[in-house]
Amino acid sequence: QPVLTQSSSASASLGSSVKLTCTLSSGHSSYIIAWHQQQPGKAPRFLMRLERSGRYNQASGVPDRFSGSSSGADRYLTISNLQSEDEADYYCETWDTNTHVFGTGTKVTVL
Amino acid sequence: EVQLVESGGGLVQPGGSLRLSCVVSGFTFSTYGMTWVRQAPGNGLEWVADINLDGSEKYYVDSVKGRFTISRDYAKSSLYLQMNSLRAEDTAVYYCAIRTNGVCSYWGQGTLVTVSS
Repeated sequence: QPVLTQSSSASASLGSSVKLTCTLSSGHSSYIIAWHQQQPGKAPRFLMRLERSGRYNQASGVPDRFSGSSSGADRYLTISNLQSEDEADYYCETWDTNTHVFGTGTKVTVL
Repeated sequence: EVQLVESGGGLVQPGGSLRLSCVVSGFTFSTYGMTWVRQAPGNGLEWVADINLDGSEKYYVDSVKGRFTISRDYAKSSLYLQMNSLRAEDTAVYYCAIRTNGVCSYWGQGTLVTVSS
């Protein structure tokens, strides 16, 4: 089954950009993933579905500051013009025939 | 507006049982697969179980196989998770989610399950 690797934390200043990485395990580099945001004390929120090509479909209501891109086995989430409300945990997700997998999450801190 | 509302969580002793419910509104319930995901205190998200759109296929994470059962009721637009032989390590917030195009695209607010004596 696929494994998703994420760094544990990232930080950036208010108004700047941050780029998060989710890496698919060997043999799974073509997989589609999703990005989810979880603000403190809240349920996860689906942000976007991201393909190997870099094409992504944002969920309704997600600001354009959130964008996705891909390179090989890496899937990226870029948050531009970072806001205080973007301070959250970000998880990537993928699936296979009979399983779903989540990455361990990246905690984003807004400085 | 799509809404998923979980209920049924609570405090239960080890070895006990609970049944979680998730009522879906604002969405054609019969059209998509559904998923349960849990999050232990201070931990990340863990997939628990999947059921496909017609209920014919069900999948579970290894740690709950034989103890948990996922099901759905189309008349009630509801998803269920029957949890038996509960263990301390099952303590978590349990979320239901709708899967569209393979991924969890709508989430409920979660229900807390605490397994403790």
